[in-house]
Amino acid sequence: AQSVAQPEDQVNVAEGNPLTVKCTYSVSGNPYLFWYVQYPNRGLQFLLKYITGDNLVKGSYGFEAEFNKSQTSFHLKKPSALVSDSALYFCAVRLTGMNYGGSQGNLIFGKGTKLSVKP
Amino acid sequence: DSGVTQTPKHLITATGQRVTLRCSPRSGDLSVYWYQQSLDQGLQFLIQYYNGEERAKGNILERFSAQQFPDLHSELNLSSLELGDSALYFCASSTTSGQHTAKNIQYFGAGTRLSVL
Repeated sequence: AQSVAQPEDQVNVAEGNPLTVKCTYSVSGNPYLFWYVQYPNRGLQFLLKYITGDNLVKGSYGFEAEFNKSQTSFHLKKPSALVSDSALYFCAVRLTGMNYGGSQGNLIFGKGTKLSVKP
Repeated sequence: DSGVTQTPKHLITATGQRVTLRCSPRSGDLSVYWYQQSLDQGLQFLIQYYNGEERAKGNILERFSAQQFPDLHSELNLSSLELGDSALYFCASSTTSGQHTAKNIQYFGAGTRLSVL
């Protein structure tokens, strides 16, 4: 079964320090991978995606993510955290190909990681 | 602002009742997805519509149904509500369906928070 794991429920970082939010996936074939962020009482906002090509993907608000096929990981990173980055982060995978009973469009989300950046 | 509009923002109702959640996708988007976010289950895909037709079903209960209208807005109907249906319901939209779907970004609305008392 396709799945996404975010092993940390919460990540605490001091402002100005680098941050990493971890994500691993388990899918058949080549995945399309996404990161979304959710601020309190808001919907999910798209940060970045990996489709193919360069393993380092740059996204919104200074975030980037590194795709590692051998480790089946797609960790989210930022060189210098801001207090305003504090939010809930979701990793998601999208099925590719036409052999998933028509469900190739929907996203499969991880449980989410709460990022807390302290001043 | 994602361009996806969901109404109402909050809904409080009683067990056994029926409610309708509404979603207007971004201008030009033909695909609409419904997701449920709850503390115990996380974010789960419910159902997808493309240009008025059902395209995929996820973990959607038989008490739940959805449709997409000719103007592309979508409604999620929840009936015989139970306490466990209390959750945040998100609608998302994207431009296409089919084999190019996977590359497209899904844009999410702000959600409807349903409380079943």
